[in-house]
Amino acid sequence: SYELTQPPSVSVSPGQTARITCSGDALAKQYAYWYQQKAGQAPDLVVSKDTERPSGIPERFSGSSSGTTVTLTISGVQAEDEADYYCQSSDSSGTYVFGTGTKVTVL
Amino acid sequence: QVQLVQSGAEVKKPGASVKVSCKTSGYSFTAYYMHWVRQAPGQGLEWMGWINPNTGGTNYALNFLHRVTLTRDTSIRTAYMELTGLRPDDTAVYFCAAGIRYPGFDFWGQGKLVTVSS
Repeated sequence: SYELTQPPSVSVSPGQTARITCSGDALAKQYAYWYQQKAGQAPDLVVSKDTERPSGIPERFSGSSSGTTVTLTISGVQAEDEADYYCQSSDSSGTYVFGTGTKVTVL
Repeated sequence: QVQLVQSGAEVKKPGASVKVSCKTSGYSFTAYYMHWVRQAPGQGLEWMGWINPNTGGTNYALNFLHRVTLTRDTSIRTAYMELTGLRPDDTAVYFCAAGIRYPGFDFWGQGKLVTVSS
């Protein structure tokens, strides 16, 4: 199995930009997906296939990819964006993995 | 609309088994893999495995290879996850999830809390 590593926490002031990284060897060949999870709720998909934003997800959420690192960027952070964020990917054998998770705190 | 509905919370004794159901509606059940994910209290998401509802084929995470069984009943559009040999550290919320409109998991069940305690 492989791992996806995220920073445990990111703090950002309202209106500023939050960037969350996710690193893992598999990301060089496989797409990444990002999820937002608020307390007591199931996760929501906010970025698909590295950069695609599902309908209904605000434009301030965007994804990028470079080599073995993918990044979720939240531009103009709002208080409602305070949540845990997880990246997720898979390998060629059909095994899936989630990142370690990042808690975003809006100051 | 797409719905994945899971049954209510359960308490189990160590060594017991639990079978979690995920009843679906609003989409073609056999067209999309069903995944199972768990989350221990205060911890991150852990992928457990998937089932292809069309063929019944499965793929399990190594951590669960000998303890988890994924099945489905296409007549009632329901997927199941059975976990055996329960331990206190299996206490978690268990989710079913599927990628229906987008790659990734864009639809999730509400989660089922399984508590393992003597």
